[in-house]
Amino acid sequence: DSGVTQTPKHLITATGQRVTLRCSPRSGDLSVYWYQQSLDQGLQFLIQYYNGEERAKGNILERFSAQQFPDLHSELNLSSLELGDSALYFCASSPGEGNYNEQFFGPGTRLTVL
Amino acid sequence: GQSLEQPSEVTAVEGAIVQINCTYQTSGFYGLSWYQQHDGGAPTFLSYNGLDGLEETGRFSSFLSRSDSYGYLLLQELQMKDSASYFCAVRSRVYGGATNKLIFGTGTLLAVQP
Repeated sequence: DSGVTQTPKHLITATGQRVTLRCSPRSGDLSVYWYQQSLDQGLQFLIQYYNGEERAKGNILERFSAQQFPDLHSELNLSSLELGDSALYFCASSPGEGNYNEQFFGPGTRLTVL
Repeated sequence: GQSLEQPSEVTAVEGAIVQINCTYQTSGFYGLSWYQQHDGGAPTFLSYNGLDGLEETGRFSSFLSRSDSYGYLLLQELQMKDSASYFCAVRSRVYGGATNKLIFGTGTLLAVQP
């Protein structure tokens, strides 16, 4: 158990819908990262937040957005869902903004878009 | 851009030694990490190399040659539980400083046979 929690564990929805994935980092960690893992692709970095502020962006679609709240939990919002958005979405956390070699991953949310 | 290459699959027998190679192309290199992921599970950190040379952690070792943009993960005394996907990941630089933004390779599926 990494100490990172993600809800829900599974999510099934229809195309065109909007969903929110939730992540609570390890106690004391200030950075949160979101990753997407599809069957035919590896782990794709989406976005990083540090202490409430966006710090780095990866291949995140405009239909996707995220935020980190004052209590440091984070939410990833996915809208106008398409079949290709079906994937495992992981959240990870680390103590600081940089110079930390290890990220701690949550169990993931499996999103299925029908 | 940034890219990492690693073999898609490797098969070995219990008790043997296996090496998983990773070559990378990136700007602002800040280190190479290795993560293990069991089927459907969360990635877990194995090792990190920031400087050239070998890092050893129990049965696992990792090597880095920055001049060759190359690294490898060495697994010794293989056990059935080592069957998993192994990802190399490059820590990259944004906003003028080090960050924990990770770019992952596509992963190597290791199958350990009895």
